[in-house]
Amino acid sequence: QKEVEQNSGPLSVPEGAIASLNCTYSDRGSQSFFWYRQYSGKSPELIMFIYSNGDKEDGRFTAQLNKASQYVSLLIRDSQPSDSATYLCAVNTGQFYFGTGTSLTVIP
Amino acid sequence: GAGVSQTPSNKVTEKGKYVELRCDPISGHTALYWYRQSLGQGPEFLIYFQGTGAADDSGLPNDRFFAVRPEGSVSTLKIQRTERGDSAVYLCASGRDSRNEQFFGPGTRLTVL
Repeated sequence: QKEVEQNSGPLSVPEGAIASLNCTYSDRGSQSFFWYRQYSGKSPELIMFIYSNGDKEDGRFTAQLNKASQYVSLLIRDSQPSDSATYLCAVNTGQFYFGTGTSLTVIP
Repeated sequence: GAGVSQTPSNKVTEKGKYVELRCDPISGHTALYWYRQSLGQGPEFLIYFQGTGAADDSGLPNDRFFAVRPEGSVSTLKIQRTERGDSAVYLCASGRDSRNEQFFGPGTRLTVL
């Protein structure tokens, strides 16, 4: 079982819609959780991090963490074509593990 | 302030050669990470430094790979006797400490012919 699992997609949403990206992790001792965005040919860029159960909002982005169910999600409201990228989930268990990423396409 | 920088941006080498990849972290960041990323995959952990010491090198694939950070700032990833399978983008990231978020450099694309 992989430490971090993500649906590779591709996920397509129309412009203005909500994009929902999900991630599950295997280590219950995981301490912190991160979402990165990666454009093709570029390096990962931090979007959000979350440490505690519940929701954390930053602009159009909301990260949700449920430690009991071992999942973390990212919601993108009012999706824009510029949001089209691969979204990587990362989990810190004492070592950082990344998922393989979910490819998101926002259709104008 | 300046972000993480990596040099070279691209490196093409021949099988069997030695290469060095450099990472200059964000000033003041004590945690430094090296990852390798192949097409369609997430970053694969290689090694983590806290200060000058390698706190976790469990991700290094074999003894051809070695990394140093002698003064707790710049780090060099060294690959001996390169193989075609070493071709990938090598990413460096730094953070304030091991718990907090990491910031990535632009990466070095290594191609072994």
